[in-house]
Amino acid sequence: DAGVIQSPRHEVTEMGQEVTLRCKPISGHDYLFWYRQTMMRGLELLIYFNNNVPIDDSGMPEDRFSAKMPNASFSTLKIQPSEPRDSAVYFCASSPHPGQEDLGGYTFGSGTRLTVV
Amino acid sequence: KQEVTQIPAALSVPEGENLVLNCSFTDSAIYNLQWFRQDPGKGLTSLLLIQSSQREQTSGRLNASLDKSSGRSTLYIAASQPGDSATYLCAVRPNNQGGKLIFGQGTELSVKP
Repeated sequence: DAGVIQSPRHEVTEMGQEVTLRCKPISGHDYLFWYRQTMMRGLELLIYFNNNVPIDDSGMPEDRFSAKMPNASFSTLKIQPSEPRDSAVYFCASSPHPGQEDLGGYTFGSGTRLTVV
Repeated sequence: KQEVTQIPAALSVPEGENLVLNCSFTDSAIYNLQWFRQDPGKGLTSLLLIQSSQREQTSGRLNASLDKSSGRSTLYIAASQPGDSATYLCAVRPNNQGGKLIFGQGTELSVKP
């Protein structure tokens, strides 16, 4: 498996524009997570899905943020409209159901570095 | 509420030294504990995963231990090398929280040649 795949790797956009981040989890992993990392706040969990269903979105900072998982192999995180304070590295991660660690543990993608100017 | 603490926040050692990174957690009701490494500007790479029923895991020069009852884990790095320089994060997967990982703030390790 190629691991968790995120795109784009880098995104620079102007304030007010819509930004869409994409993630392909590892096949067979039931859970998908979106994280944000900044120097000030460290690693923050934004939202996670189990079997394509959003389970906990309490970390989503504002209504400007939304996430979808239309199928087991794809998820998006959308920011509309974007603001400079959204600048961060956004990570996607996937994991198997507990007890299925033969499918690997928690695995992170390489991240998307977002800069909003 | 589960909290994870890592000490020290930063560590600088000469090459070849053996070292220990510490992780503590407040609630022993965990499913597993995982150690990650993060290089500057990169994603997180999983190093070792310890199930709650296990006491330790080893991979090469790395050894991670888990004492669930006392809420502690250590990551032991033998014969450190400059390439080990990175931030090391500890994370626990609590029971009954649907797969969430709770992360510590990390230990930034610098191994000097």
